[in-house]
Amino acid sequence: DAGITQSPRHKVTETGTPVTLRCHQTENHRYMYWYRQDPGHGLRLIHYSYGVKDTDKGEVSDGYSVSRSKTEDFLLTLESATSSQTSVYFCAISESPGQGPTEAFFGQGTRLTVV
Amino acid sequence: AQSVTQLGSHVSVSEGALVLLRCNYSSSVPPYLFWYVQYPNQGLQLLLKYTSAATLVKGINGFEAEFKKSETSFHLTKPSAHMSDAAEYFCAVSVGRGSTLGRLYFGRGTQLTVWP
Repeated sequence: DAGITQSPRHKVTETGTPVTLRCHQTENHRYMYWYRQDPGHGLRLIHYSYGVKDTDKGEVSDGYSVSRSKTEDFLLTLESATSSQTSVYFCAISESPGQGPTEAFFGQGTRLTVV
Repeated sequence: AQSVTQLGSHVSVSEGALVLLRCNYSSSVPPYLFWYVQYPNQGLQLLLKYTSAATLVKGINGFEAEFKKSETSFHLTKPSAHMSDAAEYFCAVSVGRGSTLGRLYFGRGTQLTVWP
């Protein structure tokens, strides 16, 4: 298994509170991604990073921010959690694409419930 | 814009029967296509990928998929289902360039049930 650790694995939080999810990798991959998985929607990209301090928005970035201060860590912050952000969040990593995309490795997921 | 459509949110087969999971994509440029599998309470694992080499792609666990440009399809098949194949399967497409190449757009998933 690729060395990806997501923390926490489960979290229940109240509406309006800030929440930070952490993704830690030991593979030294340049690219890191945050996806959310919801029934009937598959996975949707929230934000991604293509290097330290280099990030960009995905399909569903509203209400989320990210930071990457070192290669191994990619943090996802919900500024003020809402019930619509109840979801399972997956971190993924990949090496730099060459002629084509490289395989993305996924973490085990974080189940977040906003009450 | 790119999108992925997986026909059938649930597919049920008997053990030993053919597995066929359908995926159609929409892309204005040549796509890279992937199939991922997710077992309960786990992350996603790559089954196979199409990157414009051979149109018939073989993956792990006996799965294969064929890229058909004329039909904009990338259906996943396995000749004989096994109980351990029960999982959710996701088709995904990447059409970016440069730093966006790793961005994946996923279908909604197909839950495969295998009956004994």
